[in-house]
Amino acid sequence: QLVQSGAEVKKPGESLKISCQGSGYIFRSYWLSWVRQKPGKGLEWVGVVYPDDSNIIYSPSFQGQVTISADKSFSTAYLQWTSLKTSDIATYYCATSVSRGAFDLWGQGTPLIVSS
Amino acid sequence: DIRLSQSPSSLSASVGDRVTITCQASQDISNYLNWYQQKPGKAPKLLIYDVSYLETGVSSKFSGSGSGTDFSLTISNLQPEDVATYYCQQYDNVPTFTFGPGTKVDLK
Repeated sequence: QLVQSGAEVKKPGESLKISCQGSGYIFRSYWLSWVRQKPGKGLEWVGVVYPDDSNIIYSPSFQGQVTISADKSFSTAYLQWTSLKTSDIATYYCATSVSRGAFDLWGQGTPLIVSS
Repeated sequence: DIRLSQSPSSLSASVGDRVTITCQASQDISNYLNWYQQKPGKAPKLLIYDVSYLETGVSSKFSGSGSGTDFSLTISNLQPEDVATYYCQQYDNVPTFTFGPGTKVDLK
């Protein structure tokens, strides 16, 4: 399973790092993606990390806006912001493809509120 | 970048109806097309992978078809528990992905 860190309430300009911990499979061996969903909107693929070597690919839409990382020793992936904006308000999901070319395992989501 | 469009963006149908949602890719994606169901406040759930393969545990009322650029998801015998938003997803260039904009299904 994938277990994400809890809901966050932050102010504009603050930094944040949310996490996604995997268990029950070989975490380091499967690409792990982050997906954004703004309130009332659709799913957007943010980017992906391969935990074994920390190879990272960003969606062009998110390049430079967030940082993805992973620590295979803790079976955990991270999504990080250095300066939050109100436009970052969303629920963020982690997801991976363990046995399919599709996201067959999802985290429960981390809601993020950014408000002054 | 490969873009996905879905139609309709929303639909209302009656219990027992058969509904079809289409997904069109901006270029040939072979069979690299998946479908998800998302209910309010929940994480998406994989229904169909590689165009037509039913995910384990998913009801056979869901079926997928298509190839190249045109794909469809069909829900047979629509029931209240099928009310959700449905998304297609392509992965022609692994490990990158794109989602369609979604189709909201509700009951008349």
